[in-house]
Amino acid sequence: EDKVVQSPLSLVVHEGDTVTLNCSYEVTNFRSLLWYKQEKKAPTFLFMLTSSGIEKKSGRLSSILDKKELSSILNITATQTGDSAIYLCAVEEVYDYKLSFGAGTTVTVRA
Amino acid sequence: DGGITQSPKYLFRKEGQNVTLSCEQNLNHDAMYWYRQDPGQGLRLIYYSQIVNDFQKGDIAEGYSVSREKKESFPLTVTSAQKNPTAFYLCATSSIVGGENTEAFFGQGTRLTVV
Repeated sequence: EDKVVQSPLSLVVHEGDTVTLNCSYEVTNFRSLLWYKQEKKAPTFLFMLTSSGIEKKSGRLSSILDKKELSSILNITATQTGDSAIYLCAVEEVYDYKLSFGAGTTVTVRA
Repeated sequence: DGGITQSPKYLFRKEGQNVTLSCEQNLNHDAMYWYRQDPGQGLRLIYYSQIVNDFQKGDIAEGYSVSREKKESFPLTVTSAQKNPTAFYLCATSSIVGGENTEAFFGQGTRLTVV
């Protein structure tokens, strides 16, 4: 069974649209949830979330964690073609330094 | 310059051959990881190491082997026992500070193809 489930698996939007990506997890001892963006090769770090209800923002991207619902969302506002990428969600457990990744959401932004 | 270096970028392997993928880092990070990425399946953990001379199996370790003789290096060997090795392999590192892990940083990856 998958520990981390992302939805949707893919979506296509037009420039200027707002995108909301979902990540749900099922782990025993949650420590943190991380979001990464993968354009061609190396995933690049976006956010690390450890506390519920506190939104993290970076430009047009924001993310929030809901520990009660065991989920997180990543929002991208005013999308640009440069936002086209695979967005990966990962969860880390306490006492266990490995990350468990979801399958990713492929976002395509059309001009 | 600092970072994670994976080599080679592209690797072709014949059936029955062992091949070794290199991962070197100069970030002084404690932990190193190997992931495999297949289309539509995200990243799956092969092996990871938190300290020198110690490593643990991930979710899909069968057919792979690693070593951690130096802090900077974590090579991955894909053995002939790995039935479907064609994939994109990513190495990552992270720092352990006060018993907690920082975010992981990734290398540029090695694309392995069996011919």
